[in-house]
Amino acid sequence: VQLVESGGDLVQPGRSLRLSCEVSGFTFISYSMHWVRQAPGKGLEWVAGLSYIGGKKYYADSVQGRFTISRDSSKNTLFLQMDNLRPEDTAVYFCAREGIELIVIETAGLDYWGQGTLVSVSS
Amino acid sequence: DIQMTQSPSTLSTSVGDRATISCRASQNIDQSLAWYQQKPGKAPHLLIYKASTLEDGVPSRFSGSGSGTEFTLTITGLQPDDFATYYCQQFYTFPWTFGQGTKVEIK
Repeated sequence: VQLVESGGDLVQPGRSLRLSCEVSGFTFISYSMHWVRQAPGKGLEWVAGLSYIGGKKYYADSVQGRFTISRDSSKNTLFLQMDNLRPEDTAVYFCAREGIELIVIETAGLDYWGQGTLVSVSS
Repeated sequence: DIQMTQSPSTLSTSVGDRATISCRASQNIDQSLAWYQQKPGKAPHLLIYKASTLEDGVPSRFSGSGSGTEFTLTITGLQPDDFATYYCQQFYTFPWTFGQGTKVEIK
């Protein structure tokens, strides 16, 4: 299993950026996927999730209405479209796979993570 | 949103010691809790899910307990590789939330 993020950059406030997470080693469409971020020197913050069941999307309050999570199954890639970026969005962004406890088909935490990509928002 | 509160923020301890980290949820989350270890500059690593189930490949010196609102991560016989920051995370309901982290450092 591998997850590789890309797309991080230095951008000005108010601008947009799209992050990508290319995955391999597992059946992408059978797993829910998430984005988690970590501001410099701070803790982890869950950002968004995309369920493999029905394609439902979930967002943290801090990004609701500005960020959009999506996937392209033909490319085994997860995306995070980030619009109207703010300085407080500055962070390393990780994509992560939601594990499944197969016997009961229940969530088993975030079992695989990418290495992260840095987004800096500054004028 | 459910708030997750960890204590202590920093734990100074020695190799071979037992380390205990607490995590409290602001409302009932049953056993929908995971623990992660993170080292500087690296992605988090899943240790435990559903409060007490050890992820494959994680050493048995790590254990988790609790349900409802009170949870504990215990490391029995700390090894040099265990000095890191630990986070709890609830997946009971969206938005998912993490605790603020506990840094386990060498005394």
